[in-house]
Amino acid sequence: AQSVTQLGSHVSVSEGALVLLRCNYSSSVPPYLFWYVQYPNQGLQLLLKYTTGATLVKGINGFEAEFKKSETSFHLTKPSAHMSDAAEYFCAVSYGGKLIFGQGTELSVKP
Amino acid sequence: GAVVSQHPSWVICKSGTSVKIECRSLDFQATTMFWYRQFPKQSLMLMATSNEGSKATYEQGVEKDKFLINHASLTLSTLTVTSAHPEDSSFYICSANLRLAGSVNTQYFGPGTRLTVL
Repeated sequence: AQSVTQLGSHVSVSEGALVLLRCNYSSSVPPYLFWYVQYPNQGLQLLLKYTTGATLVKGINGFEAEFKKSETSFHLTKPSAHMSDAAEYFCAVSYGGKLIFGQGTELSVKP
Repeated sequence: GAVVSQHPSWVICKSGTSVKIECRSLDFQATTMFWYRQFPKQSLMLMATSNEGSKATYEQGVEKDKFLINHASLTLSTLTVTSAHPEDSSFYICSANLRLAGSVNTQYFGPGTRLTVL
């Protein structure tokens, strides 16, 4: 069965610091992986996705994620956090045409 | 591109009434749309898959007679919460599936609808 685990329901960083949001997946087939961001009272916005090919995927707003098959991970990073990055982040794996979401990680950015 | 809208963005209704929420893909056609429910501080819960021109497929535990879904065109799906009760109060989010040749299907989400049932 496919599943997604996001380690850490809440991550706090200082402005300008590295952002690292962890995501591990379980999949019986080669996975399609996604990261979405949700701002308060809004829908989800696609940050980036991994399908095949290059394992380092660059997304919007300076975010990137690396697919590591051996570690079954797809961690999201950003070199320098900005106040506007404060939001909820969801990792998801596609299975049978549906998305299976992780529990979400709330990112706080301190000035 | 890949913009999805929802209407209304918020609605307050009395217990026992029905509420319709619209989901539109504005710049692409979507044969498949999805309806999710989200409780505060929680992840998204898939309610149903809406297929254009056919019946929706509901997830286990979701009452299909309470949450009526219609996908009459390639750009519009509607969710009607029938005989709403306070426990139906939630944030409802739709997504539309974008299919591109040579690429994986990708879901693009609407902004959500906050339903409050008094």
